[in-house]
Amino acid sequence: SAVISQKPSRDICQRGTSLTIQCQVDSQVTMMFWYRQQPGQSLTLIATANQGSEATYESGFVIDKFPISRPNLTFSTLTVSNMSPEDSSIYLCSVGRDRGPYEQYFGPGTRLTVT
Amino acid sequence: GQNIDQPTEMTATEGAIVQINCTYQTSGFNGLFWYQQHAGEAPTFLSYNVLDGLEEKGRFSSFLSRSKGYSYLLLKELQMKDSASYLCAVKSDRGSTLGRLYFGRGTQLTVWP
Repeated sequence: SAVISQKPSRDICQRGTSLTIQCQVDSQVTMMFWYRQQPGQSLTLIATANQGSEATYESGFVIDKFPISRPNLTFSTLTVSNMSPEDSSIYLCSVGRDRGPYEQYFGPGTRLTVT
Repeated sequence: GQNIDQPTEMTATEGAIVQINCTYQTSGFNGLFWYQQHAGEAPTFLSYNVLDGLEEKGRFSSFLSRSKGYSYLLLKELQMKDSASYLCAVKSDRGSTLGRLYFGRGTQLTVWP
């Protein structure tokens, strides 16, 4: 299994500011995903971070609001821009194996509170 | 589109057996996953089924019927530490994102002494 770390683990931010979340993996992986989990809800995929190309965003998420970088096969960042209280959530980085059994592993998450 | 349905809550007592069901409708099905998530923690991988049948792993087993769009997670000899949310997720290879997972809302299991 992959070991995934995220920074910061939690933060409290003011409305209108931006926060960049880092995700580091201990091995090279092709697929990295960013999810959001709002209180009491399941996981919603924000985007897939592709190394060497632009991220692929899911419906309802746009690059201006959630810019993503993927400079290499072990690292990615997600920025939550111009935050509002509705962005308060847990943000999770996930990596997938390229070969079977294809499970995904999750980082510990970043708990964001916007005031 | 993708539609994944599982019960919102379940309760059981220590030592008992509980079965958590998941039904799904999806295009490009390429596997079903079960994850366990304790409050305030990240999901942890439990099981993966891509072929019909039962996969057993210790106290946990997972079953898949692709023709019925149905899976269940079976937990035996329940322990207090099994109290958690259990997420059913389907992997799809259709659409713009290959290999992405679609998650159900999760089943909150409470184990009573």
